[in-house]
Amino acid sequence: RKEVEQDPGPFNVPEGATVAFNCTYSNSASQSFFWYRQDCRKEPKLLMSVYSSGNEDGRFTAQLNRASQYISLLIRDSKLSDSATYLCVVTGGSYIPTFGRGTSLIVHP
Amino acid sequence: EPEVTQTPSHQVTQMGQEVILRCVPISNHLYFYWYRQILGQKVEFLVSFYNNEISEKSEIFDDQFSVERPDGSNFTLKIRSTKLEDSAMYFCASSDRSPQDTQYFGPGTRLTVL
Repeated sequence: RKEVEQDPGPFNVPEGATVAFNCTYSNSASQSFFWYRQDCRKEPKLLMSVYSSGNEDGRFTAQLNRASQYISLLIRDSKLSDSATYLCVVTGGSYIPTFGRGTSLIVHP
Repeated sequence: EPEVTQTPSHQVTQMGQEVILRCVPISNHLYFYWYRQILGQKVEFLVSFYNNEISEKSEIFDDQFSVERPDGSNFTLKIRSTKLEDSAMYFCASSDRSPQDTQYFGPGTRLTVL
């Protein structure tokens, strides 16, 4: 089983739509969880950390479900500029981050 | 806003040659990292570095690779005897006081091995 799995997409949505991504991880000892955004041929940039209680940053909401070993990212009111690949990152006790392959989002007018 | 910088942005080399990729982490950060991303694939952790020594490394980081902090600002990745499959984007990153802190990535060096 892959350590961090994401649906590669692409998710093709109109502006203003709400879209949700899920990510599952296999290591139950994982400790830290993040969503990064990566634009084409650019470096990953932190979008948000994911906390057990869930957290929200503007139009973005992240949730963690430790029992089912998945994290989610919800984007409300999608903008054209949200088009990117969203990377799920999980860090275990060894502090080695494991990246998912990413979910591609395309927001169209 | 402070940022991680990397040079060169693109490096082309012949198979079998050695390359050195350079990074300047954010100045007050204590942890440094190298990652690679083969085109179309996921970002892969190579190595982390703290207090002038390797703290973690992946299976990918074998004897072909080495890292060094030659002075107070630079952090380098040396790849010896490059192979075609070393062609990838190499990202440097740094974090403040803990590997659990946010990692800030540099813009990457695209390595092409011919």
